[in-house]
Amino acid sequence: GQQVMQIPQYQHVQEGEDFTTYCNSSTTLSNIQWYKQRPGGHPVFLIQLVKSGEVKKQKRLTFQFGEAKKNSSLHITATQTTDVGTYFCAGRKMDSNYQLIWGAGTKLIIKP
Amino acid sequence: EAQVTQNPRYLITVTGKKLTVTCSQNMNHEYMSWYRQDPGLGLRQIYYSMNVEVTDKGDVPEGYKVSRKEKRNFPLILESPSPNQTSLYFCASSFHRGSGEQFFGPGTRLTVL
Repeated sequence: GQQVMQIPQYQHVQEGEDFTTYCNSSTTLSNIQWYKQRPGGHPVFLIQLVKSGEVKKQKRLTFQFGEAKKNSSLHITATQTTDVGTYFCAGRKMDSNYQLIWGAGTKLIIKP
Repeated sequence: EAQVTQNPRYLITVTGKKLTVTCSQNMNHEYMSWYRQDPGLGLRQIYYSMNVEVTDKGDVPEGYKVSRKEKRNFPLILESPSPNQTSLYFCASSFHRGSGEQFFGPGTRLTVL
């Protein structure tokens, strides 16, 4: 079945370093969403990308959607302790069901 | 305040004892769904509902039931829970299935002994 692979599963960074997580779909997506889940919390919507090649920024976060609408990335510049959590991508299928297919998440850990 | 609520937040039960996890949203959303979250597996959809009296299976529906008698409520029913249903459960809602963000409830951590 259709999958969205997300890597890496974990990333340890020193505070101030950059962080990137990548999502790759086996098929073309209608759009892709990104969510953040703080430890002990629930997923919270960050952004939705719809257009081929789209790039959106939210302060230190940069989101990209690939030209083929099969891959996406989230890049955080100069991580802060408030960035700790797990970041999920969720790609929406192109068919009539519009089902969301979730990546397994990337856990961002800030080294003390 | 716009929100999705779930109850209970934590539940420990025994194999075979029927239970219901409630979910309610106050945003007049059409679409509601249930997910389970297990380490390394991300979020997997159990059931979803596109509107009142319209429900359908997600990716992992076995052992679960749902109902949507009112727009705001979408309870998850485990008729005969088993240990492999020990998980963290999230209810989510959105205005429409095909677009827009999903709003998640705070989660229900279920342990089946």
